[in-house]
Amino acid sequence: GQNIDQPTEMTATEGAIVQINCTYQTSGFNGLFWYQQHAGEAPTFLSYNVLDGLEEKGRFSSFLSRSKGYSYLLLKELQMKDSASYLCAGMDSNYQLIWGAGTKLIIKP
Amino acid sequence: DGGITQSPKYLFRKEGQNVTLSCEQNLNHDAMYWYRQDPGQGLRLIYYSQIVNDFQKGDIAEGYSVSREKKESFPLTVTSAQKNPTAFYLCASSTGPEASPLHFGNGTRLTVT
Repeated sequence: GQNIDQPTEMTATEGAIVQINCTYQTSGFNGLFWYQQHAGEAPTFLSYNVLDGLEEKGRFSSFLSRSKGYSYLLLKELQMKDSASYLCAGMDSNYQLIWGAGTKLIIKP
Repeated sequence: DGGITQSPKYLFRKEGQNVTLSCEQNLNHDAMYWYRQDPGQGLRLIYYSQIVNDFQKGDIAEGYSVSREKKESFPLTVTSAQKNPTAFYLCASSTGPEASPLHFGNGTRLTVT
């Protein structure tokens, strides 16, 4: 079956770095998305990886290893506003998204 | 500014009543989607539409219905047949079915008692 696994909750300190991992099993693969969702709000797009390697966008970076079925989102210089849920979603061969349950990130001062 | 508007933000209904959730976009996107979000679970696809006057069932379509009479609009009706309708409903759009990012509305939280 198709599945996305990510940790339920993580805690980090303001100013630090945190890595949120995601493992995926999809029928075929057309890329891996990361979204940020603040409580009660809409998810917003952060990144898309379809080739192996690291994509950097400011304080946020996303990594993909297709051979390992693994991705991570790296957040640097954490700010209080980064407290949110981070959703990992894999796209299968039919361009359907398979969503993880999300990782709730708590930032402490 | 372009975006997706969902209304209302909060909706309360009695069991046995149908209710329609509104979703409008002015992004000129062809594809629109309805997802349901429950605590501890990933987003689950209810229905999607890639073109006007056409739509397909997602993974959990039972008890829901949609229409796509205009490109901008994709309303979702939660019928009395939906056994557990209380949830957070998210509408989204994208440029097409290929690997393009989804743009989400702010959601409607439906409570049925």
